[in-house]
Amino acid sequence: GNSVTQMEGPVTLSEEAFLTINCTYTATGYPSLFWYVQYPGEGLQLLLKATKADDKGSNKGFEATYRKETTSFHLEKGSVQVSDSAVYFCALSEDTGGFKTIFGAGTRLFVKA
Amino acid sequence: SAVISQKPSRDICQRGTSLTIQCQVDSQVTMMFWYRQQPGQSLTLIATANQGSEATYESGFVIDKFPISRPNLTFSTLTVSNMSPEDSSIYLCSVGTPTLAFFGQGTRLTVV
Repeated sequence: GNSVTQMEGPVTLSEEAFLTINCTYTATGYPSLFWYVQYPGEGLQLLLKATKADDKGSNKGFEATYRKETTSFHLEKGSVQVSDSAVYFCALSEDTGGFKTIFGAGTRLFVKA
Repeated sequence: SAVISQKPSRDICQRGTSLTIQCQVDSQVTMMFWYRQQPGQSLTLIATANQGSEATYESGFVIDKFPISRPNLTFSTLTVSNMSPEDSSIYLCSVGTPTLAFFGQGTRLTVV
C-alpha cells in the first residue's frame, strides 16, 4: 500500500537557519501531497499542498515541490523562527473510493533563539 | 469544502468504561475516516466508515474495541470500548477530496 517516509527528528536549529525536512512517498497513481504542522498543544493544521507533479506548495515562507521522478516532497524554509517550533507531518491522499490521508511519522523541530 | 463538528472535544473516563465520539459533516460524503493520535505520535488510521455497510478496519484495530456506526451520509460515531490508560489519545474524524482533507477538531481522551 501507499506510504510516507520522513526524516526522523528531532531537528534542532538556530534562529534564521535554513530548514530541510525530507519526505519520500510510495504510491500507485498520482496522489496529492501535503505538509501539516502541529504546534505544541494544538490541533493539526494544513501548511501547504501540491496536487500534481512539479507543483510547488508554499505558505508562511515554507515551500515544497512535488517531485515525481524522485517520489519526494521535501519541506524547506530559508530562515526559521522560534515560532516555527512544532511537529511537521508529510502526508498523501489515497483514493479508496473516498480519499483517506496517510501520514508520515512526523518530525519535531526545535528552533533556538 | 467541508465543515466537521466533532464532540466531545475532551473527556476523562474511568478504565473499563466506553466513550462514544460523534462526528457530523455539513455535506454528504461516501466515506468518513477515523484516526488516532497517541501522545507524541503520528496519526494512525483506525477505520473507514462507509454508509450502509460495515466499517473497514486497519491492521491492529478490531470492531469489538472500536465499533463504528454510519447511519447516514453526514454522520458517524466511533466508540472506544472497555477503555484502558493505553487508549488515552486524540481521536479525529476526517473526510477527503482528491486535493484536500478535512478534519474534526479532535477528541482528547484521558483514561484514568
